[in-house]
Amino acid sequence: EVQLLESGGGLVQPGGSLRLSCAVSGFTFSDYAMSWVRQAPGKGLEWVSTISGGGVTTYYADSVKGRFIISRDNSKNTLYLQMNSLRAADTAVYYCAQGLLPFFDWNPFDYWGQGTLVTVSS
Amino acid sequence: DIQMTQSPSSLSASVGDRVTITCRASQGISNYLAWYQQKPGKVPKVLIYAASTLRSGVPSRFSGSGSGTDFTLTISSLQPEDVATYYCQKYNSAPPLTFGGGTKVEIK
Repeated sequence: EVQLLESGGGLVQPGGSLRLSCAVSGFTFSDYAMSWVRQAPGKGLEWVSTISGGGVTTYYADSVKGRFIISRDNSKNTLYLQMNSLRAADTAVYYCAQGLLPFFDWNPFDYWGQGTLVTVSS
Repeated sequence: DIQMTQSPSSLSASVGDRVTITCRASQGISNYLAWYQQKPGKVPKVLIYAASTLRSGVPSRFSGSGSGTDFTLTISSLQPEDVATYYCQKYNSAPPLTFGGGTKVEIK
C-alpha cells in the first residue's frame, strides 16, 4: 500500500524558515518524480515544485523560486521542502504527491499525502 | 506560461443529470491533461490522465475528451458522491504544472 506522510508544518513568522518532510512507503521511491502542491485556505490547487526520481533535476513555480528548495533522500524514502523567506501568501496546506508514471518528470499526481498546514503570520 | 481556464466555476445539477466541465489551455498541450476530484475536506484524487484515460478504479460514468487547447470532463449520470471540486491540470514538458481554477459541483 502506497503511503505518503508529511510533517513539519506549523506557525512561522514572516521572513522565517520551515522544512517540510514527506516519508513514503509502498513503492520504489527512486523510480518516481515527486512534487509539492499547496492549497491556500478556501482556494484552489497550486503546483509548487517537482524533483526527478534521481534527484538531479528540480523545477519550481515562479512564486517560490529562489526561496524554496526541494530535495530527496532516496536511501530514506523521504522528500523535503526547505522553505525560506516565508510570506503570508505562502500560508497553505502543503501536499506531497507521487508522479503517476515511473521514470517521467512530467506526470499527473497519483498518490497524495494528507497535507501539512503552514501558517505564516506574526 | 500556459494558462488553464475552467468553466463553469460552479454548477448545480440533479442526480442522474449529465454534467460537463470544460478546460481551455492558452496554448496547445497535446493530450497532457489530467482531471482531479477533490471532495470537501479530502485530498485530491486523479480521475483521468492523458486527456481521456480513466485511472484504474474510477467509475465509468466519468470520461474525458479533447486535445490541443480544449478539453472536457463529463459525468454521464451525476451521483450524490460526486459532490466535489474538479480541477484540470496540464503536465506537458515545461513548468509550471498549472491547475485550472476549479469547478464546484453541487446537487440541486
